[in-house]
Amino acid sequence: GAGVSQTPSNKVTEKGKYVELRCDPISGHTALYWYRQSLGQGPEFLIYFQGTGAADDSGLPNDRFFAVRPEGSVSTLKIQRTERGDSAVYLCASSKDRGQETQYFGPGTRLLVL
Amino acid sequence: AQSVAQPEDQVNVAEGNPLTVKCTYSVSGNPYLFWYVQYPNRGLQFLLKYITGDNLVKGSYGFEAEFNKSQTSFHLKKPSALVSDSALYFCAVRDWGFQKLVFGTGTRLLVSP
Repeated sequence: GAGVSQTPSNKVTEKGKYVELRCDPISGHTALYWYRQSLGQGPEFLIYFQGTGAADDSGLPNDRFFAVRPEGSVSTLKIQRTERGDSAVYLCASSKDRGQETQYFGPGTRLLVL
Repeated sequence: AQSVAQPEDQVNVAEGNPLTVKCTYSVSGNPYLFWYVQYPNRGLQFLLKYITGDNLVKGSYGFEAEFNKSQTSFHLKKPSALVSDSALYFCAVRDWGFQKLVFGTGTRLLVSP
């Protein structure tokens, strides 16, 4: 596709459940990023992939959060034992490479944990 | 550590007037600076960036920003505002050697007819 796509657009789950959020980057982009945006805040960095490997996961809040990118394209963000505080918009971005490249964002997945 | 400050929660301007949205930053190395715009229920759209070179950067939709190293600022400007410019604007910084963007809290721009 022309831009970054994310599915689902909305996800409602119950506290304690497991969720997976998917990101499909712009074709040919080797770098992929996950951010989380809480209400009234700017996006906060979670994790960065260069190819298949997580080059920087310093933003993951705890070990309930995990992300993979097994083939260097699509990425999945996985959240175990969800908590109400995990409710936010999860944004994915991609860029051509590292360095000076611009990060282009998808529309986000709005996660609501009841 | 990198940080960005957007001191105004909201900026109000009349259509046709110039607009400025303020941003200051803090990094340990050379900054890469970005402006993004967010419309309701949509993702972030890239407006412009400063990497190196001319301090005045021109971007999409007639927006521009001026990098000021001594004041550690990167204010967003437009000579003549449109009602359709009303949206949430985010400034972001990336420190040299890091890939993550650090965002400000955003400034809501409201352009009245």
